[in-house]
Amino acid sequence: LAKITQPISMDSYEGQEVNITCSHNNIATNDYITWYQQFPSQGPRFIIQGYKTKVTNEVASLFIPADRKSSTLSLPRVSLSDTAVYYCLVVPKAAGNKLTFGGGTRVLVKP
Amino acid sequence: EAGVTQFPSHSVIEKGQTVTLRCDPISGHDNLYWYRRVMGKEIKFLLHFVKESKQDESGMPNNRFLAERTGGTYSTLKVQPAELEDSGVYFCASRADSSYEQYFGPGTRLTVT
Repeated sequence: LAKITQPISMDSYEGQEVNITCSHNNIATNDYITWYQQFPSQGPRFIIQGYKTKVTNEVASLFIPADRKSSTLSLPRVSLSDTAVYYCLVVPKAAGNKLTFGGGTRVLVKP
Repeated sequence: EAGVTQFPSHSVIEKGQTVTLRCDPISGHDNLYWYRRVMGKEIKFLLHFVKESKQDESGMPNNRFLAERTGGTYSTLKVQPAELEDSGVYFCASRADSSYEQYFGPGTRLTVT
């Protein structure tokens, strides 16, 4: 399993862009990079997934360099409701999509 | 489309008692997962069903935990007998075969006293 390292916490302000970088040095060839978001008293919610280069959806962008040893989740123009814990996960394609959660990054968006 | 539902939302039982948690996945999702977060720890995988079959139960902590998914629809997770260290939040998630995205339920908070 790839070892995940991401910031414990980050503060931001409404309207700013938030970038969370995750390190996964020993990622395997068939592993995907996935990000989930979790609000208090709720289950995690899928944000975005990628394998390499850049992926964008209506919520976020995911930047993955060529060596895939890190990835950056970018949240554009955050609002107070984006305050949550953000988990970076490396998911082995052949392992039934089992998710291995770390501690995540607690993002606090201030007014 | 209804999401993943879990019942009960909160359960308080005494040590030694039995509790059964229920998960109703999104209709049509063959994959069903159980996870849990015990106090102060990270969310941990418990097991994975594909339809009614256990695909991976490597995360089940011990034989006091029994998961079933008869008929490949809803699933139950029974803890018998419950111990203090079983307290935590139990999440269920489901996934369609055509996607990597797991949809999580709101969780069941289990408190063993």
